[in-house]
Amino acid sequence: KNEVEQSPQNLTAQEGEFITINCSYSVGISALHWLQQHPGGGIVSLFMLSSGKKKHGRLIATINIQEKHSSLHITASHPRDSAVYICAVRGGATNKLIFGTGTLLAVQP
Amino acid sequence: KAGVTQTPRYLIKTRGQQVTLSCSPISGHRSVSWYQQTPGQGLQFLFEYFSETQRNKGNFPGRFSGRQFSNSRSEMNVSTLELGDSALYLCASSANRLEEETQYFGPGTRLLVL
Repeated sequence: KNEVEQSPQNLTAQEGEFITINCSYSVGISALHWLQQHPGGGIVSLFMLSSGKKKHGRLIATINIQEKHSSLHITASHPRDSAVYICAVRGGATNKLIFGTGTLLAVQP
Repeated sequence: KAGVTQTPRYLIKTRGQQVTLSCSPISGHRSVSWYQQTPGQGLQFLFEYFSETQRNKGNFPGRFSGRQFSNSRSEMNVSTLELGDSALYLCASSANRLEEETQYFGPGTRLLVL
């Protein structure tokens, strides 16, 4: 079993829909990151969380440390949100970054 | 500030050769991490360097090595290339090496081993 699990693996939405991507992890962590990767490879860090909730524009990230779970929400989705969203945690025995397998999001106009 | 730069962007090598990839962090950043991304394994951590010292290492064979220079630029080397080393190699920098810090990623070097 992977230490970081994301769901769903693939997601197709219509423009304007509310989107939720989930991340569960099995190790103790010091921080959780949400990353966005567009076709071509470039990765952008969206959020870093150690507790609670953060909001940036239409993006909201939450984390529940007790349940070892985080969610990334996108409100009023737009085709430009189409990308792979990756959850990563810093933790475990070696305190290195451990990545989920990513969620491929396609937002159709 | 200029972002993280990686050179070269694309590289084709043959099995058995070696390769050196370069990463220049954002000015003032002292921590550089390297990652490998493949379709099968996804993103995996390779190494982390801070102030010229390797602070953490992922589960990769000894063919993968790296170093960091006094100006924080970093290189990684892969010797005796194998087909499975074909991947996107990403580096990321952060100001220090605090767990709470945001990492800034470079565009990556896409390596193809034939």
